[in-house]
Amino acid sequence: EPEVTQTPSHQVTQMGQEVILRCVPISNHLYFYWYRQILGQKVEFLVSFYNNEISEKSEIFDDQFSVERPDGSNFTLKIRSTKLEDSAMYFCASRGRGPSSAFFGQGTRLTVV
Amino acid sequence: KNEVEQSPQNLTAQEGEFITINCSYSVGISALHWLQQHPGGGIVSLFMLSSGKKKHGRLIATINIQEKHSSLHITASHPRDSAVYICASEAGSYQLTFGKGTKLSVIP
Repeated sequence: EPEVTQTPSHQVTQMGQEVILRCVPISNHLYFYWYRQILGQKVEFLVSFYNNEISEKSEIFDDQFSVERPDGSNFTLKIRSTKLEDSAMYFCASRGRGPSSAFFGQGTRLTVV
Repeated sequence: KNEVEQSPQNLTAQEGEFITINCSYSVGISALHWLQQHPGGGIVSLFMLSSGKKKHGRLIATINIQEKHSSLHITASHPRDSAVYICASEAGSYQLTFGKGTKLSVIP
């Protein structure tokens, strides 16, 4: 069964460092998302990406965040200068054309120290 | 702003019991999703529905659009059903707004 793959599964970084979280969505999917879940809290939307551009972003997704689909397969989330409050589980998701279920990756647990 | 509320927050059941988890949302939506999150953190989509009822194995999801309410039922619950069950609404832009989740523990 096709799946969304995220790497790394766990990343520890120093405050102020840049991190790149990587995702390989399902190959024929068109819509791509990043969500995050701070420990003990609900999952929150960060950004959606369609047709090689951001289609929607939340208030959380400020100038420190960026997304790219550099080579048609990978989908990355970059945090330029990490803060302690960026510590969370980050989920990538993708879905196909029209109404359909979203497929989620296993998540990357980011710990900022 | 769409708000999604789930109840109960925590649920403990004996193996074999019938379980119901409720979800309500505040604005009109295009679809309602039920997802399962296991202790390791991974999220699996269970159902997406926009009307009526769907069934998959021992899981049943229903939605009442007029009342802005959905339920997830588990028949003949089993310890392997222990997980966090999350309701999420979708309103036109394909992004999901998540509830806080219901932590289910099924005891043998």
